[in-house]
Amino acid sequence: QKEVEQNSGPLSVPEGAIASLNCTYSDRVSQSFFWYRQYSGKSPELIMSIYSNGDKEDGRFTAQLNKASQYVSLLIRDSQPSDSATYLCAVNTGNQFYFGTGTSLTVIP
Amino acid sequence: SAVISQKPSRDICQRGTSLTIQCQVDSQVTMMFWYRQQPGQSLTLIATANQGSEATYESGFVIDKFPISRPNLTFSTLTVSNMSPEDSSIYLCSVELWREGEQFFGPGTRLTVL
Repeated sequence: QKEVEQNSGPLSVPEGAIASLNCTYSDRVSQSFFWYRQYSGKSPELIMSIYSNGDKEDGRFTAQLNKASQYVSLLIRDSQPSDSATYLCAVNTGNQFYFGTGTSLTVIP
Repeated sequence: SAVISQKPSRDICQRGTSLTIQCQVDSQVTMMFWYRQQPGQSLTLIATANQGSEATYESGFVIDKFPISRPNLTFSTLTVSNMSPEDSSIYLCSVELWREGEQFFGPGTRLTVL
């Protein structure tokens, strides 16, 4: 079992819709959770961090964490073509930092 | 966040040669990491570069192939030794800045081995 699992996609949504990206993790002692965006040919860029159960909103992005279910999600509201990228979920257990394989998102104009 | 630079940004090398990649951060950081990302794949951690001590390598990566230096808290190098075409990849350095463990990435070095 991988430490962090994501659907590889591709996920396609029309412009203006909500994109929902999901991630599960295996280590119950995981402390910190992150979402990175990676455009083709570029390095990963940190877009959201979340540390406690519930929702955290930043502009059009909302990260959701459910530690009991070991589940992290990222919602992108009013999706734009510029949101088309690969989104990487990452987890810090305190000892190790694990990345998922990423979900490819395409926003269709 | 931090400003992280890498040199070179890209290179094309011949089989059997070595390339040293530099990573510079604009602030002092404790943890620096080196990753490899092959086309269409996710990130693979090569090693953690510790200041003042030997790097810690992940399974499948050895010091003879990927020697790392960390002479101070703002700089690290990764050498890819005796290269083969299988080493063609993007090499990324990252730093852990905050107590919450966020990592920030440099722009990457795109390596092609012929």
